[in-house]
Amino acid sequence: EADIYQTPRYLVIGTGKKITLECSQTMGHDKMYWYQQDPGMELHLIHYSYGVNSTEKGDLSSESTVSRIRTEHFPLTLESARPSHTSQYLCASSRGTSDAGELFFGEGSRLTVL
Amino acid sequence: GEDVEQSLFLSVREGDSSVINCTYTDSSSTYLYWYKQEPGAGLQLLTYIFSNMDMKQDQRLTVLLNKKDKHLSLRIADTQTGDSAIYFCAESSNTGFQKLVFGTGTRLLVSP
Repeated sequence: EADIYQTPRYLVIGTGKKITLECSQTMGHDKMYWYQQDPGMELHLIHYSYGVNSTEKGDLSSESTVSRIRTEHFPLTLESARPSHTSQYLCASSRGTSDAGELFFGEGSRLTVL
Repeated sequence: GEDVEQSLFLSVREGDSSVINCTYTDSSSTYLYWYKQEPGAGLQLLTYIFSNMDMKQDQRLTVLLNKKDKHLSLRIADTQTGDSAIYFCAESSNTGFQKLVFGTGTRLLVSP
């Protein structure tokens, strides 16, 4: 069973609010990721991190920002939420080796912006 | 950029075999994966295959890889209602960083 946790699981907020989606893992993985999953099910990488103090933008442009101050923690922040940000956000982590590289996923945070 | 395509939906009866297909465009793909997503949950790795393999079998799961045609398939033998989920194909190239490109996902519905 993967030890990666996301909170909140569900969030409904109004336009203009600042939100932070939390992601924590207890596996000591160096690499962490945020994926956005749209209603059509496809996943898009929006942020990733190689380790502490490392953050990179993914393939899909996103207005969100991330930080990696501690190995186990990789929060995602939206300064001013809009309805277009409504989506499911999935956090994942993996070991820092060049093996097959299994991603361990959290259960997701479903965000609805009214 | 890389692209991974899957059919959106598959319906089978319990006890039948299911075959989920995937095509990809990146010829430098090193690893190809199948992930499963159950309702309300994150993705879970089912199996993966290294690009120099043609086939991998793991209990009820059989993965076939045709590297020439860039075609990957997942066969589930004796499909059960508990196999109903969304199945994602994914690929990565060996950059030492597990940046996966996911397919669109195939929703498998198993009826009794």
